[in-house]
Amino acid sequence: DVKVTQSSRYLVKRTGEKVFLECVQDMDHENMFWYRQDPGLGLRLIYFSYDVKMKEKGDIPEGYSVSREKKERFSLILESASTNQTSMYLCASSQYRAGELFFGEGSRLTVL
Amino acid sequence: GENVEQHPSTLSVQEGDSAVIKCTYSDSASNYFPWYKQELGKRPQLIIDIRSNVGEKKDQRIAVTLNKTAKHFSLHITETQPEDSAVYFCAARSGDKLTFGTGTRLAVRP
Repeated sequence: DVKVTQSSRYLVKRTGEKVFLECVQDMDHENMFWYRQDPGLGLRLIYFSYDVKMKEKGDIPEGYSVSREKKERFSLILESASTNQTSMYLCASSQYRAGELFFGEGSRLTVL
Repeated sequence: GENVEQHPSTLSVQEGDSAVIKCTYSDSASNYFPWYKQELGKRPQLIIDIRSNVGEKKDQRIAVTLNKTAKHFSLHITETQPEDSAVYFCAARSGDKLTFGTGTRLAVRP
């Protein structure tokens, strides 16, 4: 059974703080993704990675960066958090590029 | 890039009735169309998908239809049950990116 684990379920940060969201998957998947979920806007792709040390911008990369030093771990970084980054963040992995996405439980970030 | 529109945003049906959710996409090169279900407080999970070389796919009470000419695809749930209550997301893949619709909140009234 695929397990995608996000390290923090709930975070509260202040404007300007640096924020790290960690995601680990245990199924040796090549592909990992970060999505942002907002009411009425669905799931929007921030960044994705098809290999270690590889990253590609999604549809809304501004204000975010990512790190993939190991195959199983994909981190989302907010260099200087802003209130408009308050959201639910979902990590996902997949075995194939066009295959099923397995999501983590999400990290709800509030920026004050 | 790809743009996926999903309707309706909310849907309420009586238990036992059918529910239909519709999506349109913009990129004619899109070739993979999954549907995800997200129950309250839980992660999205794939429930059914269809590829562009198929017009219809069925799995028990759920079915998906695809019209490539019109660039739209639909999710059909028959004999709805309370456990079908959730948010449903359609998506379309163009190249390396999967673009999601804005979601439909389905409520099944017992």
